[in-house]
Amino acid sequence: NAGVMQNPRHLVRRRGQEARLRCSPMKGHSHVYWYRQLPEEGLKFMVYLQKENIIDESGMPKERFSAEFPKEGPSILRIQQVVRGDSAAYFCASSPPGTGVGYTFGSGTRLTVV
Amino acid sequence: GQQVMQIPQYQHVQEGEDFTTYCNSSTTLSNIQWYKQRPGGHPVFLIQLVKSGEVKKQKRLTFQFGEAKKNSSLHITATQTTDVGTYFCSSSLYNQGGKLIFGQGTELSVKP
Repeated sequence: NAGVMQNPRHLVRRRGQEARLRCSPMKGHSHVYWYRQLPEEGLKFMVYLQKENIIDESGMPKERFSAEFPKEGPSILRIQQVVRGDSAAYFCASSPPGTGVGYTFGSGTRLTVV
Repeated sequence: GQQVMQIPQYQHVQEGEDFTTYCNSSTTLSNIQWYKQRPGGHPVFLIQLVKSGEVKKQKRLTFQFGEAKKNSSLHITATQTTDVGTYFCSSSLYNQGGKLIFGQGTELSVKP
């Protein structure tokens, strides 16, 4: 019974490159959430998705960031033309349908922009 | 937007001392969830409180939800080095599905 799987665990990108972060939710969970955590800061909500639907993207920066959760395959958080300020830990979480009770978080992707 | 404020930001204790972190909101919360994140790790769900005045215990951890459902606390009795980490409170918003808003967290360090 695998938990939430995120890959890669660590990602280094040069300024201007693209970063793709992947997340496979727990089996039976249809809701996926992406959060960003800057060093020594809390978790900031980015986007909430269900299969083929973006439910709430109020936390996503207006430019360069996008997310999807296709019918088949993992959820993808995509950051285009990365800048140093994008360096952070990006966590994906999943929950059963209809509730926010007891998120299960993945191990995160630590993005470093050099 | 709705915010959840958490204090203190840092707490350093001697092993065996007690520890408390507090969570406050200016608006009524539908629930409170608590998470623990070890250094370098990911948040792990601890518990959810839903009812006004609710108190729950997990071994040395005691969780409370205020009568007005605007505040919560996590108390650890006789801390151990394994308690080290950052403790976050969070709340899901009414009519917004499962989206959680997190407090800033309290980082606990325990000196042996």
